Amino acid sequence: DSGVTQTPKHLITATGQRVTLRCSPRSGDLSVYWYQQSLDQGLQFLIQYYNGEERAKGNILERFSAQQFPDLHSELNLSSLELGDSALYFCASSVPRGGTYNEQFFGPGTRLTVL
Amino acid sequence: KNEVEQSPQNLTAQEGEFITINCSYSVGISALHWLQQHPGGGIVSLFMLSSGKKKHGRLIATINIQEKHSSLHITASHPRDSAVYICAVSPATHDDMRFGAGTRLTVKP
Repeated sequence: DSGVTQTPKHLITATGQRVTLRCSPRSGDLSVYWYQQSLDQGLQFLIQYYNGEERAKGNILERFSAQQFPDLHSELNLSSLELGDSALYFCASSVPRGGTYNEQFFGPGTRLTVL
Repeated sequence: KNEVEQSPQNLTAQEGEFITINCSYSVGISALHWLQQHPGGGIVSLFMLSSGKKKHGRLIATINIQEKHSSLHITASHPRDSAVYICAVSPATHDDMRFGAGTRLTVKP
């Protein structure tokens, strides 16, 4: 158990809909990262937050957005869903308060299926 | 061309064999990561290294910064080592992570 939790585990929805994925980092970790893993693209970095602020952006579509709240949990919002958005979405956390960058601890993932 | 290249893509071994997975990268990095992903999908970080060598149980990871190359070795492989092993790098100038395509390892009893 990495200490990172993600909800829901599975999500099935229809094209055009909007969903929210939630991530709670390990206790004390300040950074949250979001990744997408699809069959044809492999793992891709989407976005990183550090202590509530956006730190880095990767291949994140404009239809997707994220935020990190004061309690450090993070949400990834996916809107106007398309079939191609079906994927595993992972979040990871790192950087304990007062510490430096270290390894990332991954959550179990949310499997999104868009029908 | 992908910034992180892994080889081989697929690897089948007999239980007890010594296994090596290679990773080459083309960007300057602050760290290199080896990750393990089991069939259920969960990802576990095995190593994070920026120089030299690290060992954890039967797993050994090495990195050569000058050659931009890393290897993951598994000694005395076991069927429970069957998983996808992913090499990833943290670029020196960006706070993200770039991933290799993964190596699917199957260890047969």
